[in-house]
Amino acid sequence: DAKTTQPPSMDCAEGRAANLPCNHSTISGNEYVYWYRQIHSQGPQYIIHGLKNNETNEMASLIITEDRKSSTLILPHATLRDTAVYYCIVLIQGAQKLVFGQGTRLTINP
Amino acid sequence: ETGVTQSPTHLIKTRGQQVTLRCSSQSGHNTVSWYQQALGQGPQFIFQYYREEENGRGNFPPRFSGLQFPNYSSELNVNALELDDSALYLCASSEGLVVREQYFGPGTRLTVT
Repeated sequence: DAKTTQPPSMDCAEGRAANLPCNHSTISGNEYVYWYRQIHSQGPQYIIHGLKNNETNEMASLIITEDRKSSTLILPHATLRDTAVYYCIVLIQGAQKLVFGQGTRLTINP
Repeated sequence: ETGVTQSPTHLIKTRGQQVTLRCSSQSGHNTVSWYQQALGQGPQFIFQYYREEENGRGNFPPRFSGLQFPNYSSELNVNALELDDSALYLCASSEGLVVREQYFGPGTRLTVT
């Protein structure tokens, strides 16, 4: 079962930063936080992952709280193409499968 | 786009029939995982194949079976189709057994009537 809680939906204006929260209060020390997104009619796409430290790549930034019980995915300058369902996933390194919850449906408005 | 392809893109079958879905993994990837995504839900893990052997299975009955070939492409077979099998079937390829970044194909939309 999914170990994360995300808001079902969010809206963001185009060009602004989109901040997507995720609660994972039962995360254990060897579990990573992964983010995937699924644009309509496509397969999920890997975005970013982290363990303790904040991470940044060309797509997004991941901020993990010091107690690791929650995290925020940040899309710094959202575009219409970022409209998608975003999944926050917690899994142990070495796990063989992704366990998806319901995710957050992010809508970027012009 | 990832290098993962799936065929067919859409399929309509009747209850009781059998179906085979196909997946070509990204070059260099030796692991293929299959997921079922019902409408409005997140994907659910069906099983994984690593170097032609099943390497783990989710909560799906035995009528869901699979194969992986020497070139690491894969098939998902579903026998005795039920209406609830209507879903988007996704395959994902990765390198090795450890889940890091899985690369998903576009999926096959199966409708069972």
